[in-house]
Formats: sequence, structure tokens, C-alpha cells
Amino acid sequence: GDSVTQTEGQVALSEEDFLTIHCNYSASGYPALFWYVQYPGEGPQFLFRASRDKEKGSSRGFEATYNKETTSFHLQKASVQESDSAVYYCALNYGGSGNKLIFGTGTLLSVKP
Amino acid sequence: EAAVTQSPRNKVTVTGGNVTLSCRQTNSHNYMYWYRQDTGHGLRLIHYSYGAGNLQIGDVPDGYKATRTTQEDFFLLLELASPSQTSLYFCASSADSQNTLYFGAGTRLSVL
Repeated sequence: GDSVTQTEGQVALSEEDFLTIHCNYSASGYPALFWYVQYPGEGPQFLFRASRDKEKGSSRGFEATYNKETTSFHLQKASVQESDSAVYYCALNYGGSGNKLIFGTGTLLSVKP
Repeated sequence: EAAVTQSPRNKVTVTGGNVTLSCRQTNSHNYMYWYRQDTGHGLRLIHYSYGAGNLQIGDVPDGYKATRTTQEDFFLLLELASPSQTSLYFCASSADSQNTLYFGAGTRLSVL
């Protein structure tokens, strides 16, 4: 079945470091791919999406490029801030109608000042 | 900004207890969802709905019922709660099948 894999459970960085969180997917066709962010005590929030091969999604300084060849959608940010500390979820849309999302297991990002 | 409100925010019950989690969205979205969030599993879809009176089964439906009474209200029912259902539950809504999901703040349920 369709699935999303996030290899890093936790990432610890200092402010101004470069961030990469890896996301790989398994699905047929061209599923829409998403990144959501969850701050402590809140529900997940949509960050951005991409729907086609080589399409780049971006928001708030974060970006990811849809790569059909490597089945990846890695999240990157050039310079993280303490306020970026949160859990980041990669997700894909499956099942045609219904907008059902499969989420990865999440990556906890901790940024030290 | 879409508003999704869940109640209660916290709930404790005993094994075999009867629990109802409530969700209301105020943006006239057609789709509503119930997810559970567990460490090591991320978010998993329990049930979802296309509109009032409609119910669709998600990926982890066992032990859960749901009902969509109006376009605004979606309820998750645990009729015989078990400790394995201890989790953080999120409700979400979206305008249509390709739109962004908007999540509520979650309900933390403990089954003792």
C-alpha cells in the first residue's frame, strides 16, 4: 500500500544551521505531497504542497521539491530559528476523492539559540 | 482562517466506558476527518465524512464509530473503550477533496 517514510525521528540544530528532513514515499502514479508542521499543544498546520514531478513547494523559508525518480520530497531551510522548533510531518494524498492523507511518523526539530 | 473546535480537550475514562468526542467546524467545509496521533505512528485516519449523514471508513476504524449530524458537527464514539485507545485525537476539515486540511487543537483521551 501507499506509505510515507521519514527517517529522522529527531533533529537537533543551532540557530542559522541548514535543515534537511528526509521524506520518501511509496505510491503509484503522482500523489500530491505535503508538509505539515505541529507546534506544541496545537494541531498540525499546512505548510505547503506539490503535485507534479519537479514542482517546488515553499512557505515561511521552507521548501521541498517533488522528485518522482527518487520518490522523495525532502524538507529544507537555509537558516533555522528557535521558533522553527516543532514536529514536521510529510504526507501524501491517496484514494482519489476524499482527500485522505497518509502521514509519516514525524520529525521533531529542536533548535538551540 | 478555518476554525475547528474539539471538545473536551482532555478526557479520562475506564476500560469498557462510553466516550464521545465532539468536533465542530464553522467554515462550511464538506469534508471532516478523525485522526489519532501516537508516538511512532504519526497520524492515522479513523473515519471521515463527505457531508451530513455520510460516513467513510479510514485506516484504523476498529473500536470506533462516527456520526456526522450536520455539515458542522462530526462525532467520534468509543462504546467500549480499551487502553489501546489511549491517544491524542484530532479532528480536521477541508473544503473539498484537494484542499488543505485544517486541524483542531486535539483531545487527549486516557483509558485506564
